Amino acid sequence: KAGVTQTPRYLIKTRGQQVTLSCSPISGHRSVSWYQQTPGQGLQFLFEYFSETQRNKGNFPGRFSGRQFSNSRSEMNVSTLELGDSALYLCASSQPGQQQISHGYTFGSGTRLTVV
Amino acid sequence: KNEVEQSPQNLTAQEGEFITINCSYSVGISALHWLQQHPGGGIVSLFMLSSGKKKHGRLIATINIQEKHSSLHITASHPRDSAVYICAAIAGGGADGLTFGKGTHLIIQP
Repeated sequence: KAGVTQTPRYLIKTRGQQVTLSCSPISGHRSVSWYQQTPGQGLQFLFEYFSETQRNKGNFPGRFSGRQFSNSRSEMNVSTLELGDSALYLCASSQPGQQQISHGYTFGSGTRLTVV
Repeated sequence: KNEVEQSPQNLTAQEGEFITINCSYSVGISALHWLQQHPGGGIVSLFMLSSGKKKHGRLIATINIQEKHSSLHITASHPRDSAVYICAAIAGGGADGLTFGKGTHLIIQP
């Protein structure tokens, strides 16, 4: 069973540019959530999608957005990049109703974004 | 807003020692998740708890809902257990994503 796939693994962008990150969930998982990890703030919840609809959103500015496609693959977009957006971006897939079982969330390896 | 506090922030121990990592949260939750993150960033789910205790190999996780506290124990620790351990709380209904602790950086010396 393939795991959660995130692409690209590494990315370097310039301030002001925009970036799109991709996450392919485990087959059969319909929920995808996104997280930002920085040394200062640790892991923070960005948003969660289920059946192409955003179910919940963390406390991030509108420059951070996402979407989910009919095959459950998800993308997140960051516009007008700032130096502080440099971080590891992780996604996790889950199946609603099973999020409370052990291993209910499966994480991807992340995309390391560097903004220069 | 749920606050999740972990302690200790850093822990260095000798191989074979019994390890305890603590996690406290401020509001009621539906479940608590223990994660392990190795250098390079990959995160592995260890346990999801809503009550009581779970055991997997040398790892034991407990949760006390009334006291809003959970612990992760490692018995007979080994250098390969060196990693960052993170607890994450799921609010009621599971629709609010995860709220994470800052993590505990564990180093097991041979």
